[in-house]
Amino acid sequence: GESVGLHLPTLSVQEGDNSIINCAYSNSASDYFIWYKQESGKGPQFIIDIRSNMDKRQGQRVTVLLNKTVKHLSLQIAATQPGDSAVYFCAENTGTASKLTFGTGTRLQVTL
Amino acid sequence: EAGVVQSPRYKIIEKKQPVAFWCNPISGHNTLYWYRQNLGQGPELLIRYENEEAVDDSQLPKDRFSAERLKGVDSTLKIQPAELGDSAVYLCASSPRTSGSSAQFFGPGTRLTVL
Repeated sequence: GESVGLHLPTLSVQEGDNSIINCAYSNSASDYFIWYKQESGKGPQFIIDIRSNMDKRQGQRVTVLLNKTVKHLSLQIAATQPGDSAVYFCAENTGTASKLTFGTGTRLQVTL
Repeated sequence: EAGVVQSPRYKIIEKKQPVAFWCNPISGHNTLYWYRQNLGQGPELLIRYENEEAVDDSQLPKDRFSAERLKGVDSTLKIQPAELGDSAVYLCASSPRTSGSSAQFFGPGTRLTVL
């Protein structure tokens, strides 16, 4: 994935609003995608995944949308809560290699 | 169910010293990964094990880094000697499948500071 060093893109939303975090992936052959949430001082936490034969998948308060035509992935968080504040990473897997490539993270800040 | 366990959580060493990190994956997970995460960036794969075999170590700097997973469960990642540029968070992850795509579950990481 591309690196932006210390200057992560930041999304600021008010508590209760919906959040949409976007990710552009690089490999058209990628067939599996994961969204991770990483809080300060912790490892990445699995949120939701989607395979390339789907274009939408829903979890609890989260929805992932996949647009293979433009190689775009998004994570929607409904009714954003302060506990959702973290850095969010998308990751893509290509073929059977079980090798994840992480995208640029997005910092989500939830304001009260 | 216990998650991926890593130790130590923090390590501060002087350059040229050796350091080792330990990982215990989720029970039953055959595939184990070591990643390095620099500040503000996503994790980057260093090595992947399927059971006790290192099946992808192409990104591991082999002049100073080594890893082992002798019994196909716990794993150790070693750096000798450490350099200033090795300061990072070292993450261990595991997944249940040995082939195909499946979710990887991460431990809390070891934050290494090389002075």
